[in-house]
Amino acid sequence: DVKVTQSSRYLVKRTGEKVFLECVQDMDHENMFWYRQDPGLGLRLIYFSYDVKMKEKGDIPEGYSVSREKKERFSLILESASTNQTSMYLCASSPWGRGDTIYFGEGSWLTVV
Amino acid sequence: AQKVTQAQTEISVVEKEDVTLDCVYETRDTTYYLFWYKQPPSGELVFLIRRNSFDEQNEISGRYSWNFQKSTSSFNFTITASQVVDSAVYFCALSEASQGAQKLVFGQGTRLTINP
Repeated sequence: DVKVTQSSRYLVKRTGEKVFLECVQDMDHENMFWYRQDPGLGLRLIYFSYDVKMKEKGDIPEGYSVSREKKERFSLILESASTNQTSMYLCASSPWGRGDTIYFGEGSWLTVV
Repeated sequence: AQKVTQAQTEISVVEKEDVTLDCVYETRDTTYYLFWYKQPPSGELVFLIRRNSFDEQNEISGRYSWNFQKSTSSFNFTITASQVVDSAVYFCALSEASQGAQKLVFGQGTRLTINP
């Protein structure tokens, strides 16, 4: 089975802190994604990566950056956390190929106070 | 631009009832893919089904069935004889071939509660 693991399930950070959310997948997938989930808005794509060191902005990249130094690991970085970034963050991965299934991790609940 | 609409924000039924979750999508692509995911309270999105735009056959998997109709741009999901374990948030999603990688666009989700 595909396994997407997010390092932290629950985090509480202070405004202005730098926050790292880590994600690891064990299926050698080319694509990795970071989504944000908010009530009434569904899931929105922040960034995705289709190869090591490659990244593309999603629909809501402002305030975020990403890093992919190894194929299995994709990090989401909040350079200076703000309260409006309090949310559920979901990492996902998929093999290369159109229409392939995207597999999700369990999510990280981030609260910025 | 692509869009997915799940008009039902919340549905509550009694166990053993049948329930249908609606999904309407918008796309200009002729090649696209539709998905349903289940999100239980634990938070992880669980993949349920994928359908490509060229395959309009309905699908049944146990108590779950899906009705894909291109004429109405709908991809509805029916649970027959619902059970308490079906309680979750369900998301419909769309990806377009013209977008390259499988960027999913999600609907707002439908929270389904099955009462004993």
